[in-house]
Amino acid sequence: NAGVTQTPKFQVLKTGQSMTLQCAQDMNHEYMSWYRQDPGMGLRLIHYSVGAGITDQGEVPNGYNVSRSTTEDFPLRLLSAAPSQTSVYFCASSYGGSVLNTEAFFGQGTRLTVV
Amino acid sequence: AQRVTQPEKLLSVFKGAPVELKCNYSYSGSPELFWYVQYSRQRLQLLLRHISRESIKGFTADLNKGETSFHLKKPFAQEEDSAMYYCALSFPQGGSEKLVFGKGTKLTVNP
Repeated sequence: NAGVTQTPKFQVLKTGQSMTLQCAQDMNHEYMSWYRQDPGMGLRLIHYSVGAGITDQGEVPNGYNVSRSTTEDFPLRLLSAAPSQTSVYFCASSYGGSVLNTEAFFGQGTRLTVV
Repeated sequence: AQRVTQPEKLLSVFKGAPVELKCNYSYSGSPELFWYVQYSRQRLQLLLRHISRESIKGFTADLNKGETSFHLKKPFAQEEDSAMYYCALSFPQGGSEKLVFGKGTKLTVNP
């Protein structure tokens, strides 16, 4: 029972490099989202998706792209990494569409450092 | 705008003491509120939701619409309760339910 799987767990990038954080879920959830967690800032929503082919911006979308070609996968792309993107990134999924199904299941996180 | 406020970044209590983690929300509709917990080196997980009116690991939370609060309480804290706690608000947007988190409170229970 994998749940939500994020890769990699740790990553160091140089300023200007690009990379993709992977997120996959095996629960057939429609709703997936990416958050970043910073000290004193809590969890801030970057992008989210309510289903395959549909994505939307969250609170802090600049510098990130997402796509949702399948229900299972929701990768997050950093186009040109900046030190301000040093953070812990969490992917989450839920059934969506009903508050009774809104429990979010989280991945284990990706700790990203941009130098 | 929808907002969740957790006024305490850090909270420290002794084992056996009561603990209350504060959460206030801003939402014009009927709120759906949750508490999530993140233990050291573990992923975030749902602790409880107000709609279920449940008690999990001795924790309870009551929705007070007059005070727009959803404080998390436990009468006797245990060392294993030490963790990061996030209050979250769910509301409908774009045909789905969006989840907004507070900034979190780090609870430390001292022996």
